Amino acid sequence: DTGVSQDPRHKITKRGQNVTFRCDPISEHNRLYWYRQTLGQGPEFLTYFQNEAQLEKSRLLSDRFSAERPKGSFSTLEIQRTEQGDSAMYLCASSGGQYYGYTFGSGTRLTVV
Amino acid sequence: SQKIEQNSEALNIQEGKTATLTCNYTNYSPAYLQWYRQDPGRGPVFLLLIRENEKEKRKERLKVTFDTTLKQSLFHITASQPADSATYLCAGLLFSGSARQLTFGSGTQLTVLP
Repeated sequence: DTGVSQDPRHKITKRGQNVTFRCDPISEHNRLYWYRQTLGQGPEFLTYFQNEAQLEKSRLLSDRFSAERPKGSFSTLEIQRTEQGDSAMYLCASSGGQYYGYTFGSGTRLTVV
Repeated sequence: SQKIEQNSEALNIQEGKTATLTCNYTNYSPAYLQWYRQDPGRGPVFLLLIRENEKEKRKERLKVTFDTTLKQSLFHITASQPADSATYLCAGLLFSGSARQLTFGSGTQLTVLP
């Protein structure tokens, strides 16, 4: 296993377009997380899956954001009608349990123009 | 409100010295704290987890302490090297409404000068 993979690494989109990011977690990990990070800030929690169930979602996550984890394996994060404020690094992480550290992917850098 | 706070000022130290980074938490008692390293353009890398009933934890040149009285965790890198230059993030579980999530501080940028 090579760790958490995210695709694409970079995405430039025009305002108003929809974008979808993919995350492949470590196969043994049943917990998957999405975070967003802007320059100079720590990662900000977006949502959490345990297996295929989406258990937690940040209040900051607008209705334009949706995430799925079908079959409890890979996950997708979709942003509809992108806005310039959505420009950020989107990070995916997985973990094997409550007292384990998170393994992060390298992120998808989104630029909305 | 519950917060995880790190000194946002960058820390510059000379090679070979010990770097000490601070993480403070307010208005809650975390079951544990985690420390991560982040290099530019990369995702954070997990370093250490310390539980509330552990005073100190070590891993090679790294040491983390957890003081529940001061509501503070200290992260030490001994015999620092230029390769240790990075941003270091502290994180703890916080409750927001009904959601419990690992919340990160804003990080401290460390530069080790040769």
